[in-house]
Amino acid sequence: DAGVIQSPRHEVTEMGQEVTLRCKPISGHNSLFWYRQTMMRGLELLIYFNNNVPIDDSGMPEDRFSAKMPNASFSTLKIQPSEPRDSAVYFCASSFGQGFSYEQYFGPGTRLTVT
Amino acid sequence: GQQVMQIPQYQHVQEGEDFTTYCNSSTTLSNIQWYKQRPGGHPVFLIQLVKSGEVKKQKRLTFQFGEAKKNSSLHITATQTTDVGTYFCAGPAGKLIFGQGTELSVKP
Repeated sequence: DAGVIQSPRHEVTEMGQEVTLRCKPISGHNSLFWYRQTMMRGLELLIYFNNNVPIDDSGMPEDRFSAKMPNASFSTLKIQPSEPRDSAVYFCASSFGQGFSYEQYFGPGTRLTVT
Repeated sequence: GQQVMQIPQYQHVQEGEDFTTYCNSSTTLSNIQWYKQRPGGHPVFLIQLVKSGEVKKQKRLTFQFGEAKKNSSLHITATQTTDVGTYFCAGPAGKLIFGQGTELSVKP
């Protein structure tokens, strides 16, 4: 079975450009999470969806970040406009169950570099 | 706010030596999860502990949840080069809070 799929795997863009990261969760999972990982701040939860509905977006840094989940098999994380401090690895994860007490399956991540 | 602290940040061992990482939460946790991230990889779930004082083993790995459910540890017996990576603990507190991780390097 395919795991969590993310695209692109690497993205290099210039400051001010729009960036869209994509995620396909594991089929049958009803929770989806977007994380950001940096050396300074570690692994941070950005947003959590359950049954396609955003439940907790308190980790979204600012209005430049937005996330959508139009259906159970697809989610996007958009940064507009991007800034150099957004450079990080962005992970998407999914789980079967509501909340944070279930095993999370992480995708391979998107390494974003903003110059 | 809720914090999950892990020590040490780095651990360098000779192959065959034991390794332990410790995780401490500022509040009581309903459960604790452990993940492993290989260099350049993504976090992979290892185990979840739920009960106070629980101890679980996976081959050479031993996981323990403290009696007060505020701390946990991961012990690896006789490390191998395949154990290299960063080990994270994570606890649910409104959302899943990850520790900073312990990076393990193993010298053959």
